[in-house]
Amino acid sequence: EPEVTQTPSHQVTQMGQEVILRCVPISNHLYFYWYRQILGQKVEFLVSFYNNEISEKSEIFDDQFSVERPDGSNFTLKIRSTKLEDSAMYFCASNSFRQGFTSGNTIYFGEGSWLTVV
Amino acid sequence: SQQGEEDPQALSIQEGENATMNCSYKTSINNLQWYRQNSGRGLVHLILIRSNEREKHSGRLRVTLDTSKKSSSLLITASRAADTASYFCATGGGFQKLVFGTGTRLLVSP
Repeated sequence: EPEVTQTPSHQVTQMGQEVILRCVPISNHLYFYWYRQILGQKVEFLVSFYNNEISEKSEIFDDQFSVERPDGSNFTLKIRSTKLEDSAMYFCASNSFRQGFTSGNTIYFGEGSWLTVV
Repeated sequence: SQQGEEDPQALSIQEGENATMNCSYKTSINNLQWYRQNSGRGLVHLILIRSNEREKHSGRLRVTLDTSKKSSSLLITASRAADTASYFCATGGGFQKLVFGTGTRLLVSP
């Protein structure tokens, strides 16, 4: 079964450093997302991306965050200057939603990237 | 905004018993999804139920949806130790973002 893959699985970084988390969404999917989960808390939406641009972002997704689809397969999340409170599991997700089609409502998630900022 | 809230927050049962988790949300929805998360792992999609559906089955899973009460339930029958995980409901989907509930931590003891 196709799956969303994420790298790295774990990363420890110094506060103030830049981090790039990488994702390969499912190949025929059109919508891409980043979510995060702080340890012990609920999963929170960060940003959605469609047609090479951000379609929606949350309050969490401030100027320190950016997303990019540098080629036809990768989707990245960059945190420019990490803070301690950025420590969390970051999930990439994708789906194949198309207007007028009943399928494609399911959003599939990757295994996540654990980010620890020290 | 739509928000799922699950109860109970934690549930501890014996293998073979049924586990029922409930989810409530605040606004109208097009569909509701249930996900499972093993400790420290990714979110696995279990089942999606559309707003015009009242019940849906998938293997040992049964999901109900009551849009008049803005609530959904997930029933796992004949539970196994391997079902130990956190279970989340989420509203949204399609091109919309998912809004997750707080989750129910299920512990199934052998």
